[in-house]
Amino acid sequence: GENVEQHPSTLSVQEGDSAVIKCTYSDSASNYFPWYKQELGKRPQLIIDIRSNVGEKKDQRIAVTLNKTAKHFSLHITETQPEDSAVYFCAANAADMRFGAGTRLTVKP
Amino acid sequence: DGGITQSPKYLFRKEGQNVTLSCEQNLNHDAMYWYRQDPGQGLRLIYYSQIVNDFQKGDIAEGYSVSREKKESFPLTVTSAQKNPTAFYLCASSILEAIGELFFGEGSRLTVL
Repeated sequence: GENVEQHPSTLSVQEGDSAVIKCTYSDSASNYFPWYKQELGKRPQLIIDIRSNVGEKKDQRIAVTLNKTAKHFSLHITETQPEDSAVYFCAANAADMRFGAGTRLTVKP
Repeated sequence: DGGITQSPKYLFRKEGQNVTLSCEQNLNHDAMYWYRQDPGQGLRLIYYSQIVNDFQKGDIAEGYSVSREKKESFPLTVTSAQKNPTAFYLCASSILEAIGELFFGEGSRLTVL
């Protein structure tokens, strides 16, 4: 099955700085790569996704890049704010959806 | 309101007892999933189902069982064979297989006493 690895496990940035989280996947059949944000005690919620026929996608301060050849994809958050503090999960699908271990992002005011 | 509902939100169980977690969705989604969340380990797939009366094991299916008798429902039973069942359990659904957004329930926190 698909194996997704995510780095770093924790990330601390100053408000206004950028944050980058990286993931790799193993199954070349995977074609959909979402990112979820989970605030403490709440359910994960989709923040952005990308499909295999696209190399980059942006939504305001959030962007995702995909390198299918290298089997890795990244989440970029610019101009970080304290409310961006949460756990972020990447995922990849082949026949099912597999998640990375998560990155705890802390944005210091 | 359309959505996915898990119950109970909190559950306590004595060792040796089976317990069933409920997951119901009214989104008309084909696929449903159960994940287990432990601190620092992300979301691990227990079981998933793409159609009624069919389901597949995920990475950590041992000690768990599921059924999919109706499209809307995908209950998870945590059996006494699960050696470390204390965890946060999340149910999710998606439109078709896994090629779209997963919608998560609010989760069920199981504690074994």
